[in-house]
Amino acid sequence: DAKTTQPPSMDCAEGRAANLPCNHSTISGNEYVYWYRQIHSQGPQYIIHGLKNNETNEMASLIITEDRKSSTLILPHATLRDTAVYYCIVRVAFKAAGNKLTFGGGTRVLVKP
Amino acid sequence: DSGVTQTPKHLITATGQRVTLRCSPRSGDLSVYWYQQSLDQGLQFLIQYYNGEERAKGNILERFSAQQFPDLHSELNLSSLELGDSALYFCASSVGPEGNQPQHFGDGTRLSIL
Repeated sequence: DAKTTQPPSMDCAEGRAANLPCNHSTISGNEYVYWYRQIHSQGPQYIIHGLKNNETNEMASLIITEDRKSSTLILPHATLRDTAVYYCIVRVAFKAAGNKLTFGGGTRVLVKP
Repeated sequence: DSGVTQTPKHLITATGQRVTLRCSPRSGDLSVYWYQQSLDQGLQFLIQYYNGEERAKGNILERFSAQQFPDLHSELNLSSLELGDSALYFCASSVGPEGNQPQHFGDGTRLSIL
């Protein structure tokens, strides 16, 4: 699976959009980009995933560049409860040997009032 | 609420002992995954089952074993426990084993070895 690079930490203001970047320059054509977050020591929470097109759900939007080498997770209106570690993960779509998630260090996001 | 249930939430035991962690996947999910999160290692994949069959193995110690039962719940057995086994253990489930299907995680079991 392709490796990802994320900034170790970032702050954002409550009520503003939070834009979280992720670099995955070695991504292959059959690899999805996934975003998860972990609030304190709770279980990781699935946010969104995409292959080529931009995706949006009730939690966030995922913008993937045309060359697929990077992506941005957008939290449209950050709240204090969005403070968490955010993980960008690249995962092969179909793999006979299984499909683990490989978590890196993530980005520690602090939403400030 | 992810729909994945893990029991117990907390477990305190001593070195050399054996424990069993239990996971009930979301309704309709056939694939179960186990992960370990310790302070110095981050989240590490241990093992995956799909419809009762082992599908993939990660860095799982020989002292650890798992299985998925016909009702699709899974158990992770940890034996000859050492201090370094203290960690959070998470279970996740997905509909199938493929990478285009998201995994949903439970709240974990916090294991403390004294």
